[in-house]
Amino acid sequence: AQKITQTQPGMFVQEKEAVTLDCTYDTSDPSYGLFWYKQPSSGEMIFLIYQGSYDQQNATEGRYSLNFQKARKSANLVISASQLGDSAMYFCAMREYQGSNYKLTFGKGTLLTVNP
Amino acid sequence: EAQVTQNPRYLITVTGKKLTVTCSQNMNHEYMSWYRQDPGLGLRQIYYSMNVEVTDKGDVPEGYKVSRKEKRNFPLILESPSPNQTSLYFCASSLSIQGSIQYFGAGTRLSVL
Repeated sequence: AQKITQTQPGMFVQEKEAVTLDCTYDTSDPSYGLFWYKQPSSGEMIFLIYQGSYDQQNATEGRYSLNFQKARKSANLVISASQLGDSAMYFCAMREYQGSNYKLTFGKGTLLTVNP
Repeated sequence: EAQVTQNPRYLITVTGKKLTVTCSQNMNHEYMSWYRQDPGLGLRQIYYSMNVEVTDKGDVPEGYKVSRKEKRNFPLILESPSPNQTSLYFCASSLSIQGSIQYFGAGTRLSVL
């Protein structure tokens, strides 16, 4: 079974609108972390936002917020007021303890296109 | 500026010619890791290091070597590259073994002919 599932291969949004990128996860580790990264066409991997499994409040970083629903094992990324520069691939990732390694497992990604 | 620096950014080589991709971080991070990214397969961990002189295999270690002689550097070595190692490679680091945030380098695009 996949550890991280991103069900939206591609998403389109109009500039200045909000968009939600879906992510569900599966783990038996009670202490895990959830991340979102952005990968523009230039290729670099840019950290956006982090949510720890014990965090009570949803994480926010500027225009990014993470809608964390622990019981449903979902960690959706919300981008408010989309900008053209937000067009990129977005990856959800989970850090969990495996053996001696705090391993980061990535989803397959969602390609977001922001239309003017 | 806090960063993870990889070199080279782009590399074209031929089968069997040994190469090294360097990775350096200036954040005094303990944990460092190498990933490769391939279409349809996502990012997969190659090797990781929890501290100086401590390295271990990730999910796809075959054909790669690493070393961690200094805290800041974590080079990836391909002793005899093959075409199936053509990929986009990322080095990442985080403050501690427990991770918190892993910061990534800009990536190295490797083509093995």
